Amino acid sequence: GEDVEQSLFLSVREGDSSVINCTYTDSSSTYLYWYKQEPGAGLQLLTYIFSNMDMKQDQRLTVLLNKKDKHLSLRIADTQTGDSAIYFCAEIPLSGGYNKLIFGAGTRLAVHP
Amino acid sequence: DTGVSQNPRHKITKRGQNVTFRCDPISEHNRLYWYRQTLGQGPEFLTYFQNEAQLEKSRLLSDRFSAERPKGSFSTLEIQRTEQGDSAMYLCASSPRTGFYGYTFGSGTRLTVV
Repeated sequence: GEDVEQSLFLSVREGDSSVINCTYTDSSSTYLYWYKQEPGAGLQLLTYIFSNMDMKQDQRLTVLLNKKDKHLSLRIADTQTGDSAIYFCAEIPLSGGYNKLIFGAGTRLAVHP
Repeated sequence: DTGVSQNPRHKITKRGQNVTFRCDPISEHNRLYWYRQTLGQGPEFLTYFQNEAQLEKSRLLSDRFSAERPKGSFSTLEIQRTEQGDSAMYLCASSPRTGFYGYTFGSGTRLTVV
């Protein structure tokens, strides 16, 4: 089945690292994504990872993938107030014919001084 | 290209009225998607087009909803006889033929049915 789960809320101090976690159910998913949504705005693609990779790093962002446990994480180094937003994990599962993104409910990241 | 454009940004309508939203995708993108997002939830898939062909519709898309993409360019999403439960953010996205490198989303149309 298609299901993506995320914790709903994360609070971090400015300058610390943030780690947002996600689990997915479709083992056939080949691509996994992280999107960012600021208040009243659409979704911004942050990064994606292929399922044959364990890790991907892009500036302050590090994505870790554990295929065995179907666990995906996004680490934001040196978190800034501008990182406050909702972060969505998403997959493109085979059960959807690889035709549609399935999103989690989102993790709200709050960055405080 | 300025990305995916959606109009209007906000729409307030009375229950029972019809509304229509427009989406202009990135010009070279073949695929166009509509999603609905309610408060506190992630976006839910509604439908998608490959050029002008509507290839899949979600069960969420009742008979009151219709989407078109004439000539494979812009798309419209119409909701007839709106209900309060239709209040949501309607998001449009586009991608090249293979969407594996991620979709580009518009800023959405927020619908409020009163």
